[in-house]
Amino acid sequence: EVQLVQSGAEVKKPGESLKISCKGSGYSFTSYWIGWVRQMPGKGLEWMGIIYPGDSDTRYSPSFQGQVTISADKTISTAYLQWSSLKASDTAMYYCARPENPYTNCVGVWGQGTLVTVSS
Amino acid sequence: EIVLTQSPGTLSLSPGERATLSCRASQSVSSSYLAWYQQKPGQAPRLLIYGASSRATGIPDRFSGSGSGTDFTLTISRLEPEDFAVYYCQQYGNSPFTFGPGTKVDIK
Repeated sequence: EVQLVQSGAEVKKPGESLKISCKGSGYSFTSYWIGWVRQMPGKGLEWMGIIYPGDSDTRYSPSFQGQVTISADKTISTAYLQWSSLKASDTAMYYCARPENPYTNCVGVWGQGTLVTVSS
Repeated sequence: EIVLTQSPGTLSLSPGERATLSCRASQSVSSSYLAWYQQKPGQAPRLLIYGASSRATGIPDRFSGSGSGTDFTLTISRLEPEDFAVYYCQQYGNSPFTFGPGTKVDIK
Protein backbone atom coordinates (compact mmCIF):
# COMPACT_ATOMS: atom_id res chain seq x y z
CA GLU A 1 0.00 0.00 0.00
CA VAL A 2 1.29 3.42 -0.97
CA GLN A 3 1.56 5.65 2.09
CA LEU A 4 2.99 8.95 3.23
CA VAL A 5 3.34 8.95 7.00
CA GLN A 6 4.11 12.26 8.67
CA SER A 7 5.69 12.97 12.02
CA GLY A 8 3.55 13.92 15.00
CA ALA A 9 2.16 17.22 16.19
CA GLU A 10 4.60 19.83 17.48
CA VAL A 11 4.25 22.69 19.95
CA LYS A 12 7.04 25.25 19.74
CA LYS A 13 7.89 28.76 20.90
CA PRO A 14 8.57 31.66 18.55
CA GLY A 15 12.21 31.72 17.46
CA GLU A 16 12.69 27.96 17.83
CA SER A 17 13.70 25.70 14.97
CA LEU A 18 11.73 22.73 13.70
CA LYS A 19 12.01 19.93 11.18
CA ILE A 20 9.00 17.76 10.34
CA SER A 21 9.11 14.62 8.26
CA CYS A 22 7.16 12.64 5.69
CA LYS A 23 8.11 8.99 5.09
CA GLY A 24 7.06 7.30 1.87
CA SER A 25 6.41 3.59 1.65
CA GLY A 26 4.97 1.11 -0.82
CA TYR A 27 6.54 2.75 -3.89
CA SER A 28 9.84 3.86 -5.41
CA PHE A 29 10.54 7.02 -3.40
CA THR A 30 12.85 8.54 -6.01
CA SER A 31 10.31 8.18 -8.82
CA TYR A 32 7.91 10.86 -7.52
CA TRP A 33 8.36 14.38 -6.24
CA ILE A 34 7.10 15.21 -2.77
CA GLY A 35 5.25 18.48 -2.21
CA TRP A 36 4.31 20.38 0.95
CA VAL A 37 1.00 22.16 1.52
CA ARG A 38 0.12 24.55 4.33
CA GLN A 39 -3.35 24.97 5.79
CA MET A 40 -3.67 27.68 8.41
CA PRO A 41 -6.49 27.31 10.94
CA GLY A 42 -9.85 27.66 9.23
CA LYS A 43 -8.22 28.59 5.92
CA GLY A 44 -7.52 27.09 2.51
CA LEU A 45 -4.69 25.07 1.00
CA GLU A 46 -1.43 26.78 0.04
CA TRP A 47 1.23 25.18 -2.16
CA MET A 48 4.66 25.58 -0.58
CA GLY A 49 7.05 23.72 -2.87
CA ILE A 50 8.30 20.38 -4.07
CA ILE A 51 11.43 18.28 -4.02
CA TYR A 52 12.57 15.56 -6.39
CA PRO A 53 14.18 13.02 -4.02
CA GLY A 54 16.28 11.47 -6.76
CA ASP A 55 18.47 14.55 -7.22
CA SER A 56 17.15 16.88 -4.46
CA ASP A 57 16.07 19.46 -7.04
CA THR A 58 13.77 21.79 -5.08
CA ARG A 59 11.22 24.37 -6.23
CA TYR A 60 9.57 26.83 -3.86
CA SER A 61 6.43 28.87 -4.24
CA PRO A 62 7.48 32.57 -4.14
CA SER A 63 5.45 33.05 -0.94
CA PHE A 64 7.57 30.46 0.88
CA GLN A 65 11.00 31.01 -0.69
CA GLY A 66 13.45 31.84 2.08
CA GLN A 67 10.90 31.07 4.81
CA VAL A 68 11.28 27.27 4.90
CA THR A 69 13.68 24.60 3.66
CA ILE A 70 12.54 21.45 1.90
CA SER A 71 14.92 18.50 1.84
CA ALA A 72 14.91 14.73 1.43
CA ASP A 73 16.96 11.69 2.38
CA LYS A 74 16.36 9.09 -0.30
CA THR A 75 18.23 6.42 1.68
CA ILE A 76 15.40 6.39 4.22
CA SER A 77 12.59 7.50 1.84
CA THR A 78 11.87 10.61 3.88
CA ALA A 79 11.19 14.22 2.98
CA TYR A 80 11.48 17.13 5.39
CA LEU A 81 10.13 20.62 5.94
CA GLN A 82 12.26 22.82 8.14
CA TRP A 83 12.11 26.22 9.84
CA SER A 84 15.12 27.96 11.38
CA SER A 85 13.11 30.48 13.41
CA LEU A 86 9.40 29.87 13.87
CA LYS A 87 6.80 32.62 14.06
CA ALA A 88 3.30 32.50 15.48
CA SER A 89 2.03 32.81 11.90
CA ASP A 90 3.61 29.42 11.09
CA THR A 91 0.86 27.79 13.17
CA ALA A 92 -0.88 25.50 10.70
CA MET A 93 -1.48 21.97 9.51
CA TYR A 94 1.19 20.87 7.06
CA TYR A 95 0.56 18.12 4.54
CA CYS A 96 3.02 16.29 2.36
CA ALA A 97 1.72 14.96 -0.94
CA ARG A 98 2.76 13.02 -4.03
CA PRO A 99 1.51 12.71 -7.59
CA GLU A 100 -1.13 10.14 -8.41
CA ASN A 101 1.22 8.39 -10.88
CA PRO A 102 4.65 8.97 -12.46
CA TYR A 103 3.16 10.60 -15.59
CA THR A 104 1.32 13.48 -13.95
CA ASN A 105 1.86 16.31 -11.51
CA CYS A 106 -1.67 15.85 -10.13
CA VAL A 107 -1.54 15.11 -6.41
CA GLY A 108 -3.25 11.84 -5.55
CA VAL A 109 -1.56 10.71 -2.34
CA TRP A 110 -1.56 12.77 0.85
CA GLY A 111 0.05 12.37 4.23
CA GLN A 112 -2.15 12.58 7.30
CA GLY A 113 -0.87 16.04 8.18
CA THR A 114 1.35 17.45 10.92
CA LEU A 115 -0.10 20.14 13.17
CA VAL A 116 2.46 22.76 14.13
CA THR A 117 1.52 25.16 16.92
CA VAL A 118 3.79 28.12 17.64
CA SER A 119 2.94 29.98 20.81
CA SER A 120 4.77 31.74 23.60
CA GLU B 1 2.13 32.40 -10.81
CA ILE B 2 -1.39 31.38 -11.85
CA VAL B 3 -4.07 32.71 -9.49
CA LEU B 4 -7.26 30.66 -9.16
CA THR B 5 -10.56 32.19 -8.09
CA GLN B 6 -13.48 30.04 -6.93
CA SER B 7 -17.13 30.97 -6.74
CA PRO B 8 -19.30 31.04 -4.85
CA GLY B 9 -17.49 31.11 -1.53
CA THR B 10 -20.32 29.19 0.09
CA LEU B 11 -23.11 27.18 -1.52
CA SER B 12 -26.09 26.29 0.66
CA LEU B 13 -28.08 23.42 -0.79
CA SER B 14 -30.27 20.51 0.28
CA PRO B 15 -29.52 16.81 -0.25
CA GLY B 16 -30.64 15.74 -3.71
CA GLU B 17 -29.98 19.15 -5.26
CA ARG B 18 -27.43 19.89 -7.97
CA ALA B 19 -24.25 21.79 -7.07
CA THR B 20 -22.28 23.82 -9.60
CA LEU B 21 -18.88 25.15 -8.51
CA SER B 22 -16.72 27.47 -10.58
CA CYS B 23 -12.95 27.88 -10.82
CA ARG B 24 -11.40 30.64 -12.90
CA ALA B 25 -7.69 31.01 -13.66
CA SER B 26 -5.75 34.24 -14.17
CA GLN B 27 -4.18 32.70 -17.29
CA SER B 28 -4.77 29.64 -19.39
CA VAL B 29 -4.11 26.35 -17.61
CA SER B 30 -1.81 24.23 -19.76
CA SER B 31 -3.31 21.07 -21.19
CA SER B 32 -6.26 21.34 -18.81
CA TYR B 33 -4.04 20.36 -15.89
CA LEU B 34 -6.79 21.25 -13.45
CA ALA B 35 -7.82 19.11 -10.47
CA TRP B 36 -10.61 19.23 -7.91
CA TYR B 37 -10.28 18.07 -4.31
CA GLN B 38 -12.79 17.52 -1.54
CA GLN B 39 -11.82 18.18 2.06
CA LYS B 40 -13.85 17.30 5.13
CA PRO B 41 -13.07 18.62 8.63
CA GLY B 42 -10.07 16.94 10.19
CA GLN B 43 -9.15 15.10 7.00
CA ALA B 44 -6.58 15.48 4.26
CA PRO B 45 -7.91 16.52 0.85
CA ARG B 46 -9.13 13.80 -1.51
CA LEU B 47 -8.64 13.91 -5.28
CA LEU B 48 -11.95 13.92 -7.16
CA ILE B 49 -11.17 15.10 -10.71
CA TYR B 50 -7.94 15.44 -12.70
CA GLY B 51 -7.28 16.68 -16.20
CA ALA B 52 -10.33 18.94 -15.75
CA SER B 53 -12.82 16.13 -16.46
CA SER B 54 -11.47 12.69 -15.49
CA ARG B 55 -12.77 11.12 -12.29
CA ALA B 56 -10.18 9.70 -9.92
CA THR B 57 -10.37 6.06 -8.89
CA GLY B 58 -13.40 5.28 -6.76
CA ILE B 59 -15.13 8.64 -7.25
CA PRO B 60 -18.89 8.31 -7.84
CA ASP B 61 -20.24 9.38 -11.21
CA ARG B 62 -22.39 12.10 -9.64
CA PHE B 63 -19.16 14.14 -9.65
CA SER B 64 -18.18 15.58 -13.02
CA GLY B 65 -15.73 18.20 -14.20
CA SER B 66 -15.64 20.34 -17.30
CA GLY B 67 -13.93 23.33 -18.80
CA SER B 68 -10.70 24.40 -20.43
CA GLY B 69 -8.45 27.42 -20.75
CA THR B 70 -9.34 29.66 -17.83
CA ASP B 71 -12.85 28.49 -16.86
CA PHE B 72 -13.61 25.22 -15.12
CA THR B 73 -16.64 23.73 -13.39
CA LEU B 74 -17.24 20.95 -10.89
CA THR B 75 -20.79 19.61 -10.87
CA ILE B 76 -22.32 17.32 -8.27
CA SER B 77 -25.49 16.05 -9.90
CA ARG B 78 -27.39 15.07 -6.74
CA LEU B 79 -25.93 15.92 -3.38
CA GLU B 80 -25.56 13.08 -0.92
CA PRO B 81 -25.15 13.79 2.83
CA GLU B 82 -21.44 12.90 2.63
CA ASP B 83 -20.82 15.51 -0.10
CA PHE B 84 -21.15 18.49 2.23
CA ALA B 85 -17.54 19.64 2.44
CA VAL B 86 -15.08 22.18 1.07
CA TYR B 87 -13.96 21.86 -2.55
CA TYR B 88 -10.69 23.19 -3.94
CA CYS B 89 -9.46 23.48 -7.48
CA GLN B 90 -5.73 23.29 -8.25
CA GLN B 91 -3.72 23.85 -11.38
CA TYR B 92 -0.71 21.60 -11.83
CA GLY B 93 0.45 22.74 -15.24
CA ASN B 94 2.75 25.55 -14.11
CA SER B 95 4.92 25.68 -11.02
CA PRO B 96 3.94 26.71 -8.36
CA PHE B 97 0.91 24.42 -8.42
CA THR B 98 -1.57 26.86 -6.95
CA PHE B 99 -4.91 26.18 -5.26
CA GLY B 100 -8.10 28.18 -5.37
CA PRO B 101 -9.51 29.55 -2.08
CA GLY B 102 -12.21 26.88 -1.91
CA THR B 103 -16.00 26.63 -2.04
CA LYS B 104 -17.84 25.38 1.01
CA VAL B 105 -20.95 23.33 0.24
CA ASP B 106 -23.14 23.30 3.31
CA ILE B 107 -26.58 22.04 4.18
CA LYS B 108 -29.42 24.48 3.66
